[in-house]
Amino acid sequence: SYVLTQPPSVSVAPGQTASITCGGNNIGSKNVHWYQQKPGQAPVVVVYDNSDRPSGIPERFSGSNSGNTATLTISRVEAGDEADYYCQVWDSSSDHWLFGGGTKLTVL
Amino acid sequence: QVQLVESGGGLVKPGGSLRLSCAASGFIFSDYYMSWIRQAPGKGLEWVSDISSSSDSTIYYADSVKGRFTISRDNAKNSLYLQMSSLRAEDTAVYYCARREYSGYVYYLDYWGQGTLVTVSS
Repeated sequence: SYVLTQPPSVSVAPGQTASITCGGNNIGSKNVHWYQQKPGQAPVVVVYDNSDRPSGIPERFSGSNSGNTATLTISRVEAGDEADYYCQVWDSSSDHWLFGGGTKLTVL
Repeated sequence: QVQLVESGGGLVKPGGSLRLSCAASGFIFSDYYMSWIRQAPGKGLEWVSDISSSSDSTIYYADSVKGRFTISRDNAKNSLYLQMSSLRAEDTAVYYCARREYSGYVYYLDYWGQGTLVTVSS
């Protein structure tokens, strides 16, 4: 079955750029979505379809997807960006949604 | 504005049953696929089930719940349901309902409820 692999944690200083990866076999052929989840809250989509942003999500959030890695990039990181981030794809071979294991972003 | 409000969670013994509900408002419920996603305490997100918008009710289940959980909806009541039976300790989680939006290329989950906690314990 298809597996999405994320690093458990990423740390970044305020004002710097954070990159969170999501690895999967030929993930570049899939459409990847990214969700942000702050403690005690429901997830919120921050990037969908690899690189599109919903209304209300800052331009600081961007996404890319190629080969075996999709990446969520957060520019000019703020303390309020500290959260867990999950990648997600639809696996058409099994008709299942799949989530990555999640990455905890810590703002130093 | 779009609102999804889950209810029905609680404490249940192993082998027991529980029915979760999700009340939707602020959008035309019958136009949208809906999903259930769960999150065990301190763990990541796990997709549970999806149901299509219309009466043909195309349904998908995660392997971990297939045969034990049943998703359904009542478009007249703007409500989504998850009937859970033969519950196990590993089903303990916060259960979220979410709306599937179509980007023009693919579906994604654009609105989520706040979740309802299901605890399976003796």
